Amino acid sequence: AQRVTQPEKLLSVFKGAPVELKCNYSYSGSPELFWYVQYSRQRLQLLLRHISRESIKGFTADLNKGETSFHLKKPFAQEEDSAMYYCALRPRDTGRRALTFGSGTRLQVQP
Amino acid sequence: DGGITQSPKYLFRKEGQNVTLSCEQNLNHDAMYWYRQDPGQGLRLIYYSQIVNDFQKGDIAEGYSVSREKKESFPLTVTSAQKNPTAFYLCASSPPVAGGRRDTQYFGPGTRLTVL
Repeated sequence: AQRVTQPEKLLSVFKGAPVELKCNYSYSGSPELFWYVQYSRQRLQLLLRHISRESIKGFTADLNKGETSFHLKKPFAQEEDSAMYYCALRPRDTGRRALTFGSGTRLQVQP
Repeated sequence: DGGITQSPKYLFRKEGQNVTLSCEQNLNHDAMYWYRQDPGQGLRLIYYSQIVNDFQKGDIAEGYSVSREKKESFPLTVTSAQKNPTAFYLCASSPPVAGGRRDTQYFGPGTRLTVL
């Protein structure tokens, strides 16, 4: 079975400070990792996935298979980044397409 | 955003009653999912369906039931057997992954169920 751990329930930073939201996973096979975000009064939506190696809204995340981590980073936080962030995993080597989510981290960016 | 809808937005139920939450999508997605969201626990998978007339239990299926008679619809019934049903319920769907399309889940606005 797979498991996703987000150790921080709340991360509070000042505008312009660097941000790192931690995500660790356990899965014996080949995982696909995602970050989903939920802004206030909006739906949960995909932020980025590790396969695409993309930068969205200044956020990046690198899959570290040795440390089984997929931390989300942004060099300079903005107030509009305040939201709930969820790390999620999907097994690539099974037919299952459902996601396993972490418990989420609330990011507060203060002015 | 209108592609996947959930109704009602708020639902109140008395103990011992079954209640059905609606989820509809017009995105032509083949897979649909139900998650439960509780504070501090993130999203937990209840049931999912990857094709019509087929569905699989998720991690917390006890006390819930689903049907998938149409591609567009995936209703969730919360039965009286669910011991702690008060929660926020999220429905999602995802398109076929063939042809290089990525497996992204699109979420509905959610239904908040409160048991009185």
